[in-house]
Amino acid sequence: DTGVSQDPRHKITKRGQNVTFRCDPISEHNRLYWYRQTLGQGPEFLTYFQNEAQLEKSRLLSDRFSAERPKGSFSTLEIQRTEQGDSAMYLCASSLSNSYNEQFFGPGTRLTVL
Amino acid sequence: AQSVTQLDSQVPVFEEAPVELRCNYSSSVSVYLFWYVQYPNQGLQLLLKYLSGSTLVESINGFEAEFNKSQTSFHLRKPSVHISDTAEYFCAVSGAGGTSYGKLTFGQGTILTVHP
Repeated sequence: DTGVSQDPRHKITKRGQNVTFRCDPISEHNRLYWYRQTLGQGPEFLTYFQNEAQLEKSRLLSDRFSAERPKGSFSTLEIQRTEQGDSAMYLCASSLSNSYNEQFFGPGTRLTVL
Repeated sequence: AQSVTQLDSQVPVFEEAPVELRCNYSSSVSVYLFWYVQYPNQGLQLLLKYLSGSTLVESINGFEAEFNKSQTSFHLRKPSVHISDTAEYFCAVSGAGGTSYGKLTFGQGTILTVHP
């Protein structure tokens, strides 16, 4: 399968714990995006990478959130000191940097904070 | 900045009936428009897109959407739906060109339920 993959698919954690999610984009895609989707809402943009550079971060991304893409390939999203409000589906997407960059989405990681 | 409003959160229809899912957007710049579909327990898939040119765009499974710049709308239609079209549909917009980087702004989603 050459699509976008995310790991883990599900994560249950206790409030206050740290969690880390991984995204592997389509191999030739140099753009990578993270979105968050809560129940009954559409995905909301969190952050964006072009190669290894993080070029934009949403105001939704508090200081407890950090994302990296160290070699311009896979990316990680870490949430420190999780809160119940962090419970959501975290989506990763990748694209080429062409004129309209169609984004291909992974299956998501569902986070539940107890 | 852009915003998207999907006017219906749920649309129930009977099989073989026509359907329209409504989407309005606002933006201060030129935009690209997209419809994504999310089938139960699956990830988001691109259904169709408007980039430029003809304002009517079609998908391979019979959906079509029309870009109406004056009404800032991009409604999704299908003349005859199937049970398998049951899914959640998201309208999305991104800035066209410049420094937008293709960040997508999504609507709230419309759950289409097709009944036999």
